[in-house]
Amino acid sequence: QKEVEQDPGPLSVPEGAIVSLNCTYSNSAFQYFMWYRQYSRKGPELLMYTYSSGNKEDGRFTAQVDKSSKYISLFIRDSQPSDSATYLCAMSPPPGDSWGKLQFGAGTQVVVTP
Amino acid sequence: DAGVIQSPRHEVTEMGQEVTLRCKPISGHDYLFWYRQTMMRGLELLIYFNNNVPIDDSGMPEDRFSAKMPNASFSTLKIQPSEPRDSAVYFCASSPAGGRAHEQFFGPGTRLTVL
Repeated sequence: QKEVEQDPGPLSVPEGAIVSLNCTYSNSAFQYFMWYRQYSRKGPELLMYTYSSGNKEDGRFTAQVDKSSKYISLFIRDSQPSDSATYLCAMSPPPGDSWGKLQFGAGTQVVVTP
Repeated sequence: DAGVIQSPRHEVTEMGQEVTLRCKPISGHDYLFWYRQTMMRGLELLIYFNNNVPIDDSGMPEDRFSAKMPNASFSTLKIQPSEPRDSAVYFCASSPAGGRAHEQFFGPGTRLTVL
């Protein structure tokens, strides 16, 4: 079983809808939770990160972490065709031996149709 | 800042040849990571450095792969000899100093095809 599970999609939504993405994980040591966006044939781009549990908002993007359920989510409000990309979750333990050793999900392909 | 720079962007080579991929991290970043991405296996960490010192190379698939970081502004990933199963996109990423290893900034990648 992988440490991080993420549904690969594709997830197709109409423009203006809310996109809901999520990942589950098994390693309770994870403390940092990141979301990356990857456009086709480009490198992943860090969207936002959250430390431990809680919510974080940045413009149209909201990240949520529920450590008790080992479940994280990313919501994209008022989705645009330019949001069409693959979204990868990533997780890291706290500073220590494995600091920076991210575990990535498989990525969810999102398609926003005009 | 120009971001993480990788070269070449595309490489096509024949089985058995040596391949060298290059990376220039963002200035001031003290972590450098090499990843490989394939459809089957997703994004895999191969090796990473902190202040030019290799920290963890447990993701390097076999002895045919080696990586060096001779200074803070340059790193190489070498495959010798290359095999068709090495075909993938190889990414380099770097993280800012000051305990921010989780904030990784990726380069555009090198698309490697081994025939």
